[in-house]
Amino acid sequence: DIQMTQSPSTLSASVGDRVTITCRASQSISRWLVWYQQKPGKAPKLLIYKASNLESGVPSRFSGSGSGTEFTLTISSLQPDDFATYYCQQYNSYSSWTFGQGTKVEIK
Amino acid sequence: EVQLLESGGGLVQPGGSLRLSCVVSGFTFSSYDMSWVRQAPGKGLEWVSTVSGYGEITNYADSVKGRFTISRDSSKNTLYLQMSGLRAEDTAVYYCAKGGMDGTIPDYWGQGTLVTVSS
Repeated sequence: DIQMTQSPSTLSASVGDRVTITCRASQSISRWLVWYQQKPGKAPKLLIYKASNLESGVPSRFSGSGSGTEFTLTISSLQPDDFATYYCQQYNSYSSWTFGQGTKVEIK
Repeated sequence: EVQLLESGGGLVQPGGSLRLSCVVSGFTFSSYDMSWVRQAPGKGLEWVSTVSGYGEITNYADSVKGRFTISRDSSKNTLYLQMSGLRAEDTAVYYCAKGGMDGTIPDYWGQGTLVTVSS
């Protein structure tokens, strides 16, 4: 199975900060990676697909980069609505899904 | 509009059984793999199972293999998860999601249904 290692597990930041979350795969997944935002009691919401493509309706302050085994999610200027937990997930064909452990973005 | 609506969750005793359903609308159901993902209280997301578009291929996490069965009924646009031999550690919100091992972008999820295993 492909393992996904996400860091940090918790991040304290202020409104307006630039925030970066990292996700590493145990083997190459090309660009078969998505990023989700999840708020308490809600289903995950897709932000980024194929590592760097912004899902329709998602603010442009969110961006994704990377390929192979190293990926990042960046929020260019943190907004009050962005305080949530973020997950990466690999969806490589012929491989079962695996998720990162999650990063909780908290108010500093 | 794409919708995935889960049902069937509830309180069940250890060793008991439960069947979850996920009714899908807004896309061609049989064209895509479908998956179940769960989230224990306060924990992260865990993939549970995937079924191929026509139901011929299934895949399970080791933690549920031999106890859970995934299936689908294209005539009803419905995905199922039959759970038996339930354990306390199966307590979680269970989500159905579009996609699986077919490389489909996992862009649509249901709202989740809570399964609580407790005596």
